[in-house]
Amino acid sequence: DADVTQTPRNRITKTGKRIMLECSQTKGHDRMYWYRQDPGLGLRLIYYSFDVKDINKGEISDGYSVSRQAQAKFSLSLESAIPNQTALYFCATSEIGLSEQFFGPGTRLTVL
Amino acid sequence: QKEVEQDPGPLSVPEGAIVSLNCTYSNSAFQYFMWYRQYSRKGPELLMYTYSSGNKEDGRFTAQVDKSSKYISLFIRDSQPSDSATYLCACGANSKLTFGKGITLSVRP
Repeated sequence: DADVTQTPRNRITKTGKRIMLECSQTKGHDRMYWYRQDPGLGLRLIYYSFDVKDINKGEISDGYSVSRQAQAKFSLSLESAIPNQTALYFCATSEIGLSEQFFGPGTRLTVL
Repeated sequence: QKEVEQDPGPLSVPEGAIVSLNCTYSNSAFQYFMWYRQYSRKGPELLMYTYSSGNKEDGRFTAQVDKSSKYISLFIRDSQPSDSATYLCACGANSKLTFGKGITLSVRP
């Protein structure tokens, strides 16, 4: 969905490096989410934010941190990347009171 | 046991076939149920969405939910090569979704 953008789209990095993945949305939604997708494991929730001051851990938050800089921006950081964080990362948004989530195009991250 | 289990696939069918995709869930707190479609190198997009038990139809697609059995299905009639994608079931509560692992469908011309 063009209304949810993610940068970078692809990134290769080395073990121990700090990485930030960024998500921006023009939908005006208050709720934002970060997922990772792995073959055979599906989509798993890392962190979610219901508004700028509300951030919550998801199913697999260890090794990750997030920052909600504004309603439209939600960043995911890997403080010290490790190879098992190699995955496809998706940002999603939703409106308050509605359940549909709109996904960005994804960031393919490879940690060597 | 994962809260949402989905048949792993992959699944390959000839064009025109009826496709049945299935998931089961274990958490009675789930209130709404969705099917997402994901094309290669794209983000998931919502295909079907339902709150209640029963059937919901949209064109060639029918979503079916049986809350008593904790079972959800997606049927695709007259399948087309353009339906080739990964299909993800999702169950939701409190504005959070729990996804199945996804099944990759290939429709052969």
